[in-house]
Amino acid sequence: TQLLEQSPQFLSIQEGENLTVYCNSSSVFSSLQWYRQEPGEGPVLLVTVVTGGEVKKLKRLTFQFGDARKDSSLHITAAQPGDTGLYLCAGRGTGTASKLTFGTGTRLQVTL
Amino acid sequence: KAGVTQTPRYLIKTRGQQVTLSCSPISGHRSVSWYQQTPGQGLQFLFEYFSETQRNKGNFPGRFSGRQFSNSRSEMNVSTLELGDSALYLCASSSGGTGLFYEQYFGPGTRLTVT
Repeated sequence: TQLLEQSPQFLSIQEGENLTVYCNSSSVFSSLQWYRQEPGEGPVLLVTVVTGGEVKKLKRLTFQFGDARKDSSLHITAAQPGDTGLYLCAGRGTGTASKLTFGTGTRLQVTL
Repeated sequence: KAGVTQTPRYLIKTRGQQVTLSCSPISGHRSVSWYQQTPGQGLQFLFEYFSETQRNKGNFPGRFSGRQFSNSRSEMNVSTLELGDSALYLCASSSGGTGLFYEQYFGPGTRLTVT
């Protein structure tokens, strides 16, 4: 069974601070995705990374896929209240039509 | 393009009853996946249907079943409800490709409460 552990579980910071969320596993993934979920809504895809060592930037968000494709991180620069939500990583196993395994989630709250 | 719709949005059932949830994917999408989300277990994969066939299955008991119709709409059924089945049930739609940049789009979910 593939497991994805996220840390920290909860994060409460003030506007303008930087933060990093980690997603770790002992399994290798063919690709890894990050989602954000807001209350009452389904998760929304932020990014997909597929190459070991890959770094992708989405405005103030920077995503990195580990060299061994077992872990990933999400870094937010100068957090804003609009960044508040549940952040989920999700890995796709090797092999065709592999299902997505979601991480345990990181709940982020950004206050003024 | 309209998003993924799920009905009903909220549901209260009694232990032992059965329930059917519905999901309409984005037009043109052929794959529908179902997930259960709870505070304790997080988001867990139930099953995926592609072109009316179950393509993938998670580790849930046989009380959880699903089907997909020719128009790609999908239903999920849970029989003999237990208190632990209380959860947010999410449906996700995708084109069905199996490439690395596989993208799925989630609906708002159905909040099921079992009393």
